[in-house]
Amino acid sequence: NAGVTQTPKFRVLKTGQSMTLLCAQDMNHEYMYWYRQDPGMGLRLIHYSVGEGTTAKGEVPDGYNVSRLKKQNFLLGLESAAPSQTSVYFCASSQVYEQFFGPGTRLTVL
Amino acid sequence: DQQVKQNSPSLSVQEGRISILNCDYTNSMFDYFLWYKKYPAEGPTFLISISSIKDKNEDGRFTVFLNKSAKHLSLHIVPSQPGDSAVYFCAASVKGGGADGLTFGKGTHLIIQP
Repeated sequence: NAGVTQTPKFRVLKTGQSMTLLCAQDMNHEYMYWYRQDPGMGLRLIHYSVGEGTTAKGEVPDGYNVSRLKKQNFLLGLESAAPSQTSVYFCASSQVYEQFFGPGTRLTVL
Repeated sequence: DQQVKQNSPSLSVQEGRISILNCDYTNSMFDYFLWYKKYPAEGPTFLISISSIKDKNEDGRFTVFLNKSAKHLSLHIVPSQPGDSAVYFCAASVKGGGADGLTFGKGTHLIIQP
């Protein structure tokens, strides 16, 4: 039982490049989330999904897109990366309140 | 405007003593509160939670207290151990089973000194 996994663990992008972060969970959870964490800040919600085929905007959605084509996967896309998107990205899943987090992806945009 | 506030960025406690981490919130719609622990280069892990219908929840060395009238909660760790050194995040959820995500505080870095 792997829980929540994230791919990749690290990535360096140049401004304007695109990329997709993959999150997978094997707990059959309905809800999935993408957060970002910046130095001195708590985790801020980017986008979330309450079920397969659904997505919704969180607190800081600008510059990101998401898709949930399969229940176990939640993808976060950056179409044109900007230095302000340098951050650590965490994916989480839950069935009710308690969220289970992945190990994070450290993204640097130069 | 920050809806969940952890006003102490860091806290140093001697091993064996009690650690008390505090959290304040402003949104009256929050009905469920959670504490997460985070080690460097790892994802947050769930520690303990409390529903707004309760004022205390205990799990081993960890106890969370909720004062709804003051919009304040605290996490007590007794006794504190070296492995407790980590960043602790307070988080809150509005009514609805948590589907809309959690609102986090900025965290408190707890340092347990031998």
